[in-house]
Amino acid sequence: AQSVSQHNHHVILSEAASLELGCNYSYGGTVNLFWYVQYPGQHLQLLLKYFSGDPLVKGIKGFEAEFIKSKFSFNLRKPSVQWSDTAEYFCAVRSGANNLFFGTGTRLTVIP
Amino acid sequence: GAGVSQSPSNKVTEKGKDVELRCDPISGHTALYWYRQSLGQGLEFLIYFQGNSAPDKSGLPSDRFSAERTGGSVSTLTIQRTQQEDSAVYLCASSLGGTGRNQPQHFGDGTRLSIL
Repeated sequence: AQSVSQHNHHVILSEAASLELGCNYSYGGTVNLFWYVQYPGQHLQLLLKYFSGDPLVKGIKGFEAEFIKSKFSFNLRKPSVQWSDTAEYFCAVRSGANNLFFGTGTRLTVIP
Repeated sequence: GAGVSQSPSNKVTEKGKDVELRCDPISGHTALYWYRQSLGQGLEFLIYFQGNSAPDKSGLPSDRFSAERTGGSVSTLTIQRTQQEDSAVYLCASSLGGTGRNQPQHFGDGTRLSIL
């Protein structure tokens, strides 16, 4: 069965610290990869996506993610987090079908 | 511009009652998705509509769940004879869909359903 794993359930960082959130998936075919962010009290928003080409994808607000096919991973990174990055982050994978499979999310808390 | 609108934002009902959840997608979006997020779990796909094609119902957890999309726009998710395990946040998303399968999905704020 297809699955998306986010191993970090809750990450707490101080401002200016570097961030890396893990995402691994189990599907072996062609995949589209996404990171969504949900700020407190808001709906999910697309942070960045990978379809093909350069495996290093840059998104909004200084976020980037690297697709490593051999590791079935799509980790999210940011060199220096801000308090405003406090949110829930969801990794998602779309397989050959149209469905999106989401991970359980990682809660990021940034301490000023 | 207007985003995906869902109503009600919160719904509390007794076990065994039927509920209807509504989703107004972004104008012009032909693809519409329903997901739910139960406490402590990831988003679970429920159903997908694309234009006039037959919907993909593969994610519906039981025959108590059904959804319609009238006129290719507004969608209603109906849960009959609700059970406590139906308590969750139900999210609707829409995208341009069609041949552009890689279009990002735009989510509504969700309906928080609580079954007593």
